[in-house]
Amino acid sequence: QKEVEQDPGPLSVPEGAIVSLNCTYSNSAFQYFMWYRQYSRKGPELLMYTYSSGNKEDGRFTAQVDKSSKYISLFIRDSQPSDSATYLCAMSAGSVNQFYFGTGTSLTVIP
Amino acid sequence: GAVVSQHPSRVICKSGTSVKIECRSLDFQATTMFWYRQFPKKSLMLMATSNEGSKATYEQGVEKDKFLINHASLTLSTLTVTSAHPEDSSFYICSAGVGSQYNSPLHFGNGTRLTVT
Repeated sequence: QKEVEQDPGPLSVPEGAIVSLNCTYSNSAFQYFMWYRQYSRKGPELLMYTYSSGNKEDGRFTAQVDKSSKYISLFIRDSQPSDSATYLCAMSAGSVNQFYFGTGTSLTVIP
Repeated sequence: GAVVSQHPSRVICKSGTSVKIECRSLDFQATTMFWYRQFPKKSLMLMATSNEGSKATYEQGVEKDKFLINHASLTLSTLTVTSAHPEDSSFYICSAGVGSQYNSPLHFGNGTRLTVT
């Protein structure tokens, strides 16, 4: 079983839709959770960084962590064509310098 | 803040030559930097962990003599692909966390597209 599972998509939505991206994980020691956005031929850009369970909101983006279910989500409200990218989840235990990445979900927002 | 600069962004070289890629943390110090390789439409594959002032730790299957890593300062790590071959053509990305804090998120460079002809 992989440490982190993420549906690769592709996911295609109309402009203005709410997008839900998800990852599941198996290691209960993970405490730090990240979402990255990666445009084609660019490096990943940190979008959200959360610790433990709960929600965090930043503009149109909301990150949710449910440690009891080992499930994290990223919601994008009022999606824009500029949100079209690959979204990677990542997590770490914080006790050692190791990070685990999902395979990424490819999102296309259609104007 | 937390900007990682990677250079060059693109390089084309002939088979058998060596290529050096630089990764700099511009506004923070990074005790540890990570080097990844990414194939088209695939996720990040960790190649090695670069530790300032000590030897890098390579992942299983990554040839340390082929991918030389040097982390001489808290703001600079370099990856040298030695005797490059066409199969080394790929997208290489570096990342770093702030200081030595294990709870710091990773910040990525913009990657280097290597093409070996």
